[in-house]
Amino acid sequence: GQNIDQPTEMTATEGAIVQINCTYQTSGFNGLFWYQQHAGEAPTFLSYNVLDGLEEKGRFSSFLSRSKGYSYLLLKELQMKDSASYLCAVRDRRTTDSWGKLQFGAGTQVVVTP
Amino acid sequence: DTGVSQDPRHKITKRGQNVTFRCDPISEHNRLYWYRQTLGQGPEFLTYFQNEAQLEKSRLLSDRFSAERPKGSFSTLEIQRTEQGDSAMYLCASSSNTPGQGPNGQYFGPGTRLTVT
Repeated sequence: GQNIDQPTEMTATEGAIVQINCTYQTSGFNGLFWYQQHAGEAPTFLSYNVLDGLEEKGRFSSFLSRSKGYSYLLLKELQMKDSASYLCAVRDRRTTDSWGKLQFGAGTQVVVTP
Repeated sequence: DTGVSQDPRHKITKRGQNVTFRCDPISEHNRLYWYRQTLGQGPEFLTYFQNEAQLEKSRLLSDRFSAERPKGSFSTLEIQRTEQGDSAMYLCASSSNTPGQGPNGQYFGPGTRLTVT
């Protein structure tokens, strides 16, 4: 099984930077995903890491260390619209193909204040 | 095709009734997933299909739950004899495992919010 931990809530001001950490313990690993979810809406795909290192995509960056079971999502130049829940998810390793189910953390609620 | 669609968006039912939800995935995606999400939690995996084959079912999926994807396109999730504990958002997602096609992420529909009274 998988155990995925992330902080419950973080608060930051508009224009600032926030880093959301995620730690996981897995019996198999084939990729880590970050999703953004606004209240009452579906999760939307933000980023994917399968190899160690930093992936940058505009204002969002995601980092992975497989040996440490650790990832973070970095949000730069925060905007009010970034107020949302951020979900860390790990994909199971499959024996026959690499497109297994996702195991999600409980999410980190980010509150951006003026 | 603009994304994954789900119907209905909201469903209120009385305990003991049966409900059925529908999901239409992104047309070129051959994998379809059902998740359940309660307030303050991340989505929990229920089941997934590759084409019409149901490849895995979670222990969360009791005998009252059944999912089908008869022609490898849309899918239905039925809950029989609903209980108040079934109240949740039911999310459908799709992805592609065809090499060279599509991104790695699962793309979610807007969800069906079920309230059992």
